[in-house]
Amino acid sequence: AQKITQTQPGMFVQEKEAVTLDCTYDTSDQSYGLFWYKQPSSGEMIFLIYQGSYDEQNATEGRYSLNFQKARKSANLVISASQLGDSAMYFCAMRRGGGGSNYKLTFGKGTLLTVNP
Amino acid sequence: DSGVTQTPKHLITATGQRVTLRCSPRSGDLSVYWYQQSLDQGLQFLIQYYNGEERAKGNILERFSAQQFPDLHSELNLSSLELGDSALYFCASSVRGEASGSDEQFFGPGTRLTVL
Repeated sequence: AQKITQTQPGMFVQEKEAVTLDCTYDTSDQSYGLFWYKQPSSGEMIFLIYQGSYDEQNATEGRYSLNFQKARKSANLVISASQLGDSAMYFCAMRRGGGGSNYKLTFGKGTLLTVNP
Repeated sequence: DSGVTQTPKHLITATGQRVTLRCSPRSGDLSVYWYQQSLDQGLQFLIQYYNGEERAKGNILERFSAQQFPDLHSELNLSSLELGDSALYFCASSVRGEASGSDEQFFGPGTRLTVL
């Protein structure tokens, strides 16, 4: 079974500073994908970034980067130059890879990020 | 805007009733997923359809059912509603519904169900 752990229920960061949101995962699969989603107070889920288990480079998307440490089974999200609009709940999620039919996303409990002016 | 549409946005109903939630995936996406988000259970996968066929099932109650139609829109039917069914129900879609590559899932705005 897959499990995602986000140990930080809440985080605070000053505007324009960088922040790291922690995510560790547990799986016995060799092939898997890791995702981060943002959920603002309005409720929608916004896809941010993806990292495949066989990707050698850390994923980056604009101000978002994923610090992937496979041996430690961690996939931390780094947001650079935080903006007030980054205040939201952030979810780490995982999906199995390879064959089979189980393509669901397994989510962590989330981290509520507050960006202070 | 993810391109995934869900209706209605809000739904208030009584215990014992039945409701239908509707989802239209992004243009070109063949796979639809349903998730439930509640305060106590978090985000949980319910069911996945790919091109009209059920592909995977998660923690979906027997009182719940879903289907995907030939035009690829999907409906989630919730019956004999209980107070605990109050939650935000998300539909997501992806192109291939596979586990290769990113094939990221794009989420709709959700339907907030309140059971009184």
